[in-house]
This record gives sequence, structure tokens and C-alpha cells, in this order.
Amino acid sequence: EIVLTQSPGTLSLSPGGSATLSCRASQTISSSYLAWYQQKPGQAPRLLIYGASIRATGIPDRFNGSGSGTDFTLTINRLEPEDFAVYYCQQYGSSPLTFGQGTKVEFK
Amino acid sequence: EVQLLESGGGLVQPGGSLRLSCAASGFSFKSYAMSWVRQAPGKGLEWVSAVSGSGGSTHYADSVKGRFTISRDSSKNTLYLQMNSLRAEDTAVYYCAKANKWELVGGYYFDYWGQGTLVTVSS
Repeated sequence: EIVLTQSPGTLSLSPGGSATLSCRASQTISSSYLAWYQQKPGQAPRLLIYGASIRATGIPDRFNGSGSGTDFTLTINRLEPEDFAVYYCQQYGSSPLTFGQGTKVEFK
Repeated sequence: EVQLLESGGGLVQPGGSLRLSCAASGFSFKSYAMSWVRQAPGKGLEWVSAVSGSGGSTHYADSVKGRFTISRDSSKNTLYLQMNSLRAEDTAVYYCAKANKWELVGGYYFDYWGQGTLVTVSS
């Protein structure tokens, strides 16, 4: 099973700033099969990025995914108030599917 | 518009059973694999089970294998999760999620999620 470790656990930032979230895998993720999700309190997760860097439908271009192999990054530029949430990475290149433990982006 | 509406959650005693349902609309249900993902209170996401678009292939997490059964009825556009021998550690919000493809081979991610249904296992 591939273990995904997200860091940091919490990011304290101000609107307008930039967030850099890391997702590190215990083994190489084949074909960059990595997705990112956003979850707000009391809501379901929402797909942001798949294929490590492809934005899902309707996702603003301030969200950018990058990386390959075992190291992946989600960058959020020009943070908007609605971006403060928990973010999860998920690998789908190997069974079983696994998620990281999440990074919370909170108001500073 | 894709909609996924879960139901069937509730309070159940340890060792008991529960069946979750997920009514799907807004897309060709039989053309996509479907999955259940759960989230224990205050915790992260855990993939539970998946079924292919045809219903002929199923996958389970080791934590639920032998106790949970996933199925689908394409005539009703509904996904199910039969949960038996429930344990306290099964307490979670259970989300129904649509996969991005028909088959389970080759990996999949989730492009739409329902709002979830809470399952509480307690005496």
C-alpha cells in the first residue's frame, strides 16, 4: 500500500497570499496518477486536480498541481476567502487507493 | 447536473447491519464505476469499496473485506453498500463517489461526491 504524507499539517495564511502544499508518497506513483481534493467543513470533498497537474472542470487557474514520482505539490496563488479549507491528495496508480492525511489552510 | 444522494445511515449496535443507498442522477450511471469513501469524525478520507460500471468487478479495502458488500442496480441508478458485523471503528460519514471511468483496472479518481450519510456504531 502506498502511504501518502502531506505537509505541513496546517498552513496559516492571509487572503492574497500563496500556499504550497506537499504530498510525498512512500513509493513511486505510476503515470502521475495523483489527485487533489478540497473539503470545507460539513461539505463533501471537491476534485481540484487529477493526473498531478490537470485542473478539473471549473477549477480556477490559481490552483496548480505539479510533481512526479514520489513528490507532488499543490500551489494556490492569490488566496481567496473561499480557499480556506482542508486539502487531500489521493493516489490512484496502485491498489488500494489511498489518501493523504490532509493539510488545513487556515486564516492567519 | 450530477447529483448523488446517500441514505440509510443511522445508529446501530456493534455486530449489527446496515444498508446504505446512493441515488444517482445527471449522468449515464451504467457508464461509470462507483465507490464508497468514508471519513471518521475529525479524521481524513478512507477509500472503502468500488464497483465497475457493469457491476461485475468489485474492490474492497482490507478493513472491510468479508463484512461489506458493494452492489449497483442500473435500472434504478442506485449504488448500495451492505454493511455487516459492524464495529465501533466503522463509525464515519460515508460518501458515495463517482469514478472517472467505467472500469476499475488502471486506477480512478473521484469527480463527483455526494453529501454523505452518517453511520454510528455504538451500544
